Amino acid sequence: EDKVVQSPLSLVVHEGDTVTLNCSYEVTNFRSLLWYKQEKKAPTFLFMLTSSGIEKKSGRLSSILDKKELFSILNITATQTGDSAVYLCAVGGDRTSGSRLTFGEGTQLTVNP
Amino acid sequence: KAGVTQTPRYLIKTRGQQVTLSCSPISGHRSVSWYQQTPGQGLQFLFEYFSETQRNKGNFPGRFSGRQFSNSRSEMNVSTLELGDSALYLCASSSDRLPNEKLFFGSGTQLSVL
Repeated sequence: EDKVVQSPLSLVVHEGDTVTLNCSYEVTNFRSLLWYKQEKKAPTFLFMLTSSGIEKKSGRLSSILDKKELFSILNITATQTGDSAVYLCAVGGDRTSGSRLTFGEGTQLTVNP
Repeated sequence: KAGVTQTPRYLIKTRGQQVTLSCSPISGHRSVSWYQQTPGQGLQFLFEYFSETQRNKGNFPGRFSGRQFSNSRSEMNVSTLELGDSALYLCASSSDRLPNEKLFFGSGTQLSVL
C-alpha cells in the first residue's frame, strides 16, 4: 500500500525564520510528487517534481526531490504570517492510477509576527 | 476561468440519512476526483471519474458512490450515514493533458453527521 509520511506534523516559527518541511514516501511505480498549501479548505498547488535532484523554486518557496532516498523537502525562507497553513505532500503512482494521489497527513505551519 | 465549484458548502445530517454532494470541474477538465479529509486520516481518495466512467476507486465501503454527467459535472452520494462520515469532502479536477495528476481542488463540502 502506498504511503506518505510528513514531518513535523506541526511547526511554530517567527516571521523571518526559514523552515524545512519533510516528506518521505513508499509508492509502487512512482510518477510524481506534489506539494499543496491548504489555508482554509481548498488545497492550492505549489510544485510538482518528477525528476530527482531538480529544485523547483517560486519566490521564497523551493522544493527538491531525492528519488533514491524517497523523500522531498519544501523550504520556505523569510517566512511571513501569510505562510501559515497546512502543507500537504502527495505522490502519484503509475499511469494506471490516473489522477489518484496518496497524501500525507500534512504539516501545520504557524508563523507568528 | 472559473475554478472547481462544490455545493453545498455545509451540510448537517443525522445517522441513517443519505446525502448527495455536487461538483462542477474547471471548464474543459473531464477528470473529477473525490477525497475525504478528516483530522486523523488526512486526505483519502474516494474515486475518480473520467468521461462518465469510474476510472479508479479507493478503499471505501459501497455506501459511498458517485457518478459523472456528460458535461463532466459529478456527484457523490453517501447512504446510511454514520458518525464517522463527518468530514470535509473535496472534489478536484484535472486536465486531460499530461501531467493529469496535477489536481485543482474545490473548497469542499463540510459534512457533519449527528
